[in-house]
Amino acid sequence: EVQLVESGGALVQPGRSLRLSCVASGFTFDDYAMHWVRQAAGKGLEWVSGISWNSRSIGYADSVKGRFTVSRDNAKNSLYLQMNSLRAEDTALYYCAKDVRGYYYDDSGYCDSWGQGTLVTVSS
Amino acid sequence: QSVLTQPPSASGTPGQRVTISCSGGNSNIGSKAVNWYQQIPGTAPKLLIFGNNQRPSGVPGRFSGSKSGTSASLAISGLQPEDEADYFCASWNDSLNGPLFGGGTKLTVL
Repeated sequence: EVQLVESGGALVQPGRSLRLSCVASGFTFDDYAMHWVRQAAGKGLEWVSGISWNSRSIGYADSVKGRFTVSRDNAKNSLYLQMNSLRAEDTALYYCAKDVRGYYYDDSGYCDSWGQGTLVTVSS
Repeated sequence: QSVLTQPPSASGTPGQRVTISCSGGNSNIGSKAVNWYQQIPGTAPKLLIFGNNQRPSGVPGRFSGSKSGTSASLAISGLQPEDEADYFCASWNDSLNGPLFGGGTKLTVL
């Protein structure tokens, strides 16, 4: 059974940094691309970032480009999101999601498994 | 159009058939597959339909998807109380170079 467990969410002041983690189990982690998707309270889903199986291809939404950095450690079955210069509008539940393909930019891919999310609140 | 538009709400009574629409553009639905997710409040999204009309194992046959041009639809037949949830469409978007999600439709079972 696929399991994705996020952690690292917290209440943080605007302009500060935070690092989210996602530990995966139940599948061969280094075969698949991974994504971060966020959801503000009462709102829809917003794709944040994607990373291919080998970390060689990475993508970001314009709203986070230059501030967020995604990475993965296949030896630890872990996905990370380094979030810098946080803003109030980054407040959301952040989900880690597994793609069915190895490359995040494969437009035939989609997220088939999701974690339960970790809450990031940016407020002074 | 780099937006996927869904109606904010839909409703039906048990046993009824309900459809939820998702409208996009040529850079997403018009040229890419559509996927649907079900999200029960307080839980993570669950994949419901992939590749326009394919159901993952374990998803009841009451759920079906279709696509025509730049629009897609999710149909739920034989509506059940446990179908009350938020439903999101999603499709790859060329200009985003990532997946684009609809705003979601809250389905109420009356």
